[in-house]
Amino acid sequence: QSALTQPASVSGSPGQSITISCTGTSSDVGAYNYVSWYQQHPGKAPKLMIYDVSNRPSGVSNRFSGSKSGNTASLTISGLQAEDEADYYCSSFASSSTLVLFGGGTKVTVL
Amino acid sequence: EVQLLESGGGLVQPGGSLRLSCAASGFTFSSYAMSWVRQAPGKGLEWVCSVSDSGGRTYYADSVRGRFTISRDNSKNTVYVQLNSLRVEDTAMYYCARVVQHHRDYWGQGILVTVSS
Repeated sequence: QSALTQPASVSGSPGQSITISCTGTSSDVGAYNYVSWYQQHPGKAPKLMIYDVSNRPSGVSNRFSGSKSGNTASLTISGLQAEDEADYYCSSFASSSTLVLFGGGTKVTVL
Repeated sequence: EVQLLESGGGLVQPGGSLRLSCAASGFTFSSYAMSWVRQAPGKGLEWVCSVSDSGGRTYYADSVRGRFTISRDNSKNTVYVQLNSLRVEDTAMYYCARVVQHHRDYWGQGILVTVSS
C-alpha cells in the first residue's frame, strides 16, 4: 500500500477537464507545501509537471495546474488532449523516517 | 542540456550485490542533491535514497536502510548506489534524479535490476 492515496484511474474526453486527487496526512501533504506531480508515459522516465503544490516548470503546458486543501492535493488537466494519456504520480515531503512519499499512481485515459 | 545516464544494472541472485552509477552532465553537479527512485515492474514509484550536494548527508527509505549506500564523486559528476543483500522485491527499474529543494526536476532513463535465482 502506497503512502499517498490516488485513484487508480481517471478518464475524460478530449477538451474536458479532469482532476486527480492525492490524499496524505497531517505529517506530509497537510504539513508542507512540497507536493509535486510527475507524468510518466509507458516505458519512459517520469517528468516533473508541478512542484511546490502549484508551480509549473518551464515548458510545461498551462493546462496543468495544482492545488491543495488540507491533507489532499489535486492535479487538474484542462482541455484534455490525447498526449495527456499517461500515468500520474504525486509526491510529498514527509516528516518521517521516509522523507519522500509517492502516491500509487493514476492512469489517465483520454476517451 | 541536463543529462543523467544510469549504468551498472543487471541480473543478480538473492543476497548478492550491485553498484549502480549515474553520470551527470549539463549542469553544475556539485550544487545539487541527487536521488534514486525505483519502480517495480507494473508498480508505482518508490523513493529509495538521496544524498546532499556535498555528499555529507544521506537519507534512505526504511525498506533499504542498512542494505543500500548512496554516495557521490563530484570530481566525476557521478552519483552511486551500492545495493547489498539484495532481495527479490528489490527487482525494479532504478532512476537517478536531480533534486531541487523537495522535488526531482530531471530524471535519467533508468536501469533495470533483476534479483532472481
